[in-house]
Amino acid sequence: DIVMTQTPLSLSVTPGQPASISCKSSQSLLHSDGKTYLYWYLQKPGQSPQLLIYEVSSRFSGVPDRFSGSGSGTDFTLKISRVEAEDVGFYYCMQGIHLPLTFGGGTKVEIK
Amino acid sequence: EVQLLESGGGLVQPGGSLRLSCAASGFTFSSYAMSWVRQAPGKGLEWVSAISGSGGSTYYADSVKGRFTISRDNSKNTLYLQMNSLRAEDTAVYYCAKVASRAVTTNAFDIWGQGTMVTVSS
Repeated sequence: DIVMTQTPLSLSVTPGQPASISCKSSQSLLHSDGKTYLYWYLQKPGQSPQLLIYEVSSRFSGVPDRFSGSGSGTDFTLKISRVEAEDVGFYYCMQGIHLPLTFGGGTKVEIK
Repeated sequence: EVQLLESGGGLVQPGGSLRLSCAASGFTFSSYAMSWVRQAPGKGLEWVSAISGSGGSTYYADSVKGRFTISRDNSKNTLYLQMNSLRAEDTAVYYCAKVASRAVTTNAFDIWGQGTMVTVSS
């Protein structure tokens, strides 16, 4: 199974400041079709997870442009350029290249 | 509006059975793979099972293989998860999720239901 490792476990951010979350996979997520299947989800308090980023860096419909994803192979990063109060919650990365699909352990983002 | 609505959760004794349902609306259900993802209390997300749009291909996490069965009724726009031989470690919120395409892999979960709680306890 592909192991997804996220750091840090938690993050406390002042509104308006940037935030960054790292996700590393135990195997490359680069598919033979040339795409890399790494996703980011946000689970706000008391809600279901919601898709933020697909294929490393593409924002899902309606996701603000302060969210950006980058990386390749086994190393990936989610960045929030200016954190807002509504961004609190748990962020999860997920690999979609091999079954079983696996998630990172999650990063809790709080507001200072 | 695209929507997924789970039902069927509850309290069940160890060794018991439960069937979860997920009613889909707002999209052509049969055109998309579907999946179940669970979240134990205070824990992260765990993929459980997936099924192709036609229902002809099914996939399971090792932790549930042989005990859970995923199925779908495309005429009713409904996804199911039959859970047998339940264990305490199956206690979790179970989410159904729409896959962004026909393929189970290489696609994100773009729509999630609100979840249904399953508690396995005596």
